[in-house]
Amino acid sequence: GAGVSQSPSNKVTEKGKDVELRCDPISGHTALYWYRQSLGQGLEFLIYFQGNSAPDKSGLPSDRFSAERTGGSVSTLTIQRTQQEDSAVYLCASSTTSGGYQETQYFGPGTRLLVL
Amino acid sequence: DAKTTQPPSMDCAEGRAANLPCNHSTISGNEYVYWYRQIHSQGPQYIIHGLKNNETNEMASLIITEDRKSSTLILPHATLRDTAVYYCIVSRYGNKLVFGAGTILRVKS
Repeated sequence: GAGVSQSPSNKVTEKGKDVELRCDPISGHTALYWYRQSLGQGLEFLIYFQGNSAPDKSGLPSDRFSAERTGGSVSTLTIQRTQQEDSAVYLCASSTTSGGYQETQYFGPGTRLLVL
Repeated sequence: DAKTTQPPSMDCAEGRAANLPCNHSTISGNEYVYWYRQIHSQGPQYIIHGLKNNETNEMASLIITEDRKSSTLILPHATLRDTAVYYCIVSRYGNKLVFGAGTILRVKS
């Protein structure tokens, strides 16, 4: 079966431009997560969706970052006016929900973003 | 969620058991212990999780001390492909996973 997919796999952009990163979760997974991993760093939580709503946006680093999820499926992470410090691997994960608990998170391969 | 402490790196001989420790002394009663690993340039991969009892699956075993303040992940027969960063995470609901620095496990032939 298909796992979590992300696109593009690599993105190079110029400082100040906007970028959109896409995540296709595993079919039927109600929860979706975005994380960021800067070079040589650990994973940093950004935002979590349950269905189409985001009960936890606490990890978004600034108001230049936003995310949405439609139809309980695909999610888009948008970074406006990109800065060089936004360069990182952006990882998406999805999971099912059982009794209020999230089951195992399955991660996608990530999008490598480079801001010049 | 409780914080965890792991050694920064460990070496293991190929074919031997790899025992990765984790301290989580501030864990509360309803928090689970999760283990993930990240092989170079890939997304993290789930390994195993548990609450109180020891757990085993096809990848590994998880041993949790009776007071739940620490745990050990055991890879019974490590291979070169097990070289990765291993993350021990404590989470109540399994949603917002807080990844620390993890342990770099190097399996050597």
